[in-house]
Amino acid sequence: QKEVEQNSGPLSVPEGAIASLNCTYSDRVSQSFFWYRQYSGKSPELIMSIYSNGDKEDGRFTAQLNKASQYVSLLIRDSQPSDSATYLCAVKVDNRLAFGKGNQVVVIP
Amino acid sequence: NAGVTQTPKFQVLKTGQSMTLQCAQDMNHNSMYWYRQDPGMGLRLIYYSASEGTTDKGEVPNGYNVSRLNKREFSLRLESAAPSQTSVYFCASSEALGQGTLEQYFGPGTRLTVT
Repeated sequence: QKEVEQNSGPLSVPEGAIASLNCTYSDRVSQSFFWYRQYSGKSPELIMSIYSNGDKEDGRFTAQLNKASQYVSLLIRDSQPSDSATYLCAVKVDNRLAFGKGNQVVVIP
Repeated sequence: NAGVTQTPKFQVLKTGQSMTLQCAQDMNHNSMYWYRQDPGMGLRLIYYSASEGTTDKGEVPNGYNVSRLNKREFSLRLESAAPSQTSVYFCASSEALGQGTLEQYFGPGTRLTVT
């Protein structure tokens, strides 16, 4: 079983719509979860961190964590063309971050 | 603040050549990391340094060595480059590992091609 899984293929959303990304993880004791945004040819940029069950909102981004079900999600409200990127889910495992392979989001004007 | 800087940005090596990738951070972070990113494989940890004077292997350490020169600098060395090491290499840093949160900040990357 992979440590962090992001199974959805590329996600196309119309401008102004909500983009929803999901991530599951295998280590039940993980306590720290992160979402990174990576533009093509650039480095990952931390956009959200979440440590407690429930929702955490930051601007147009909302991270949701459910430790019992071992999933974390990211919602992007009012999607903009500038949100077109790959989004990486990361989970703290022991002394490192385990990354998912990422989900590509394409916002269509 | 420059954050995390890496040199060089691009490099082409022949099989068997050696080189060192340099990384520096100005955020006074204790922990530093080296990753490689390959298509379809995601980010994989090569080595990390929890604090100045310590280094540990990550998921894919074979063929690499590291040096934590001081609190700011963490270098990655390829002693005898192989085509399988063609990749994009990212350095990252975070506050002390033991703090629990482990928010990591990435450098711009080095694109390495081994022919």
